[in-house]
Amino acid sequence: SFELTQPPSVSVSPGQTASIICSGDQLGNKYACWYQQKPGQSPVLVIFQDNKRPSGIPERFSGSNSGNTATLTITGAQAMDEADYYCQAWDSSTGGVFGTGTKVTVL
Amino acid sequence: QVQLQESGPGLVKPSETLSLTCIVSGYSISSAFYWGWIRQPPGKGLEWIGSIHHSGSSYYKPSLMSRVTISIDTSKNQFSLKMTSVTATDTAVYYCAREYCSGGRCYPEDPWGQGTLVTVSS
Repeated sequence: SFELTQPPSVSVSPGQTASIICSGDQLGNKYACWYQQKPGQSPVLVIFQDNKRPSGIPERFSGSNSGNTATLTITGAQAMDEADYYCQAWDSSTGGVFGTGTKVTVL
Repeated sequence: QVQLQESGPGLVKPSETLSLTCIVSGYSISSAFYWGWIRQPPGKGLEWIGSIHHSGSSYYKPSLMSRVTISIDTSKNQFSLKMTSVTATDTAVYYCAREYCSGGRCYPEDPWGQGTLVTVSS
């Protein structure tokens, strides 16, 4: 079955760039989305269709997807970006699949 | 603006059926979009369960398909989740969300419901 793998944690200094990787078989042939989830809150969509930002999401969030890897990049990370991040993609056999999740720490 | 609100029992006994409803306001459930359920066990990651369109078209996670039914009630602008034969591993926060689908690819979009914790315990 289709699976998406993410690193458990990523650390970044304020103002620096954080990159979160999501790996899956031929992920580049599917659309990838990214969700941000802060403690006790529902997830929020930050990137859809590989690289599009919903209204209200800061420009510092960007995405790319190619080969077996999708990447969420936070350029100029802020303390408010500290959260769990999940990638998501749709597989014709499995349906919706979420990644394993990455905890981003800004310190 | 669209809002989603989950409702249902917070405690279900093992082997019984979990039933949740998502009430949608600010948007007609009979319009476009699919309507889906996602869950998150305490301290763990997100798991997609399934989704349904008002036409009746639906998708389910294969490993849950035998136990899960998602239905839609356009007259009440709500959709529901039923999961049979629950065990402790079904303990989770259950979220409902609107799903955008294009070209056979779907993803939950904002806003999600606030989530409801369902505990499976005797």
